[in-house]
Amino acid sequence: DAKTTQPNSMESNEEEPVHLPCNHSTISGTDYIHWYRQLPSQGPEYVIHGLTSNVNNRMASLAIAEDRKSSTLILHRATLRDAAVYYCILIFSQGGSEKLVFGKGTKLTVNP
Amino acid sequence: EADIYQTPRYLVIGTGKKITLECSQTMGHDKMYWYQQDPGMELHLIHYSYGVNSTEKGDLSSESTVSRIRTEHFPLTLESARPSHTSQYLCASSTHSNQPQHFGDGTRLSIL
Repeated sequence: DAKTTQPNSMESNEEEPVHLPCNHSTISGTDYIHWYRQLPSQGPEYVIHGLTSNVNNRMASLAIAEDRKSSTLILHRATLRDAAVYYCILIFSQGGSEKLVFGKGTKLTVNP
Repeated sequence: EADIYQTPRYLVIGTGKKITLECSQTMGHDKMYWYQQDPGMELHLIHYSYGVNSTEKGDLSSESTVSRIRTEHFPLTLESARPSHTSQYLCASSTHSNQPQHFGDGTRLSIL
């Protein structure tokens, strides 16, 4: 089964950019790459998703490698409210049944 | 803002009781999901549904059951709760497999 690999933790300073990596070396051509984040005592919150091209929205940017075996979530200016666990997730269908594979997540600490 | 609700938020109950965790969404989403998450760990998909009268098991084996009689409602039931069922249960919905999932805030279940 395809899965993702992320660093356990990262640290950043407020107002600085943050690059959160995710490896998905066994990704298949139809797998979408989704990013979510989760604050304590809350459900995950959607951040961004993409298939092949880089994507931008008001929350973040997603850079996808040309071979799609890795991706990077970019927070352009980290704030204290961005401190959360960030999950990289592949969404795909295999053999007629849907499988969702979460990484273990990266705990982002933002220092004031 | 997503409208997906889970009740109760917290439940502490004795072994052997029948439990139903409620999940409702007002967005008309066809796809709904149940995840299980232990503290500090990743999310695991335990059930999902493509629409009314459709239910499928996820990657993680679970003794719980689900039903989907109405589009907006996707309850999860444990017929006889055990301490091993202690966990956080998160419900989500989406319009399509590759579209963002909207999560509820979860139910923290403790079985004594």
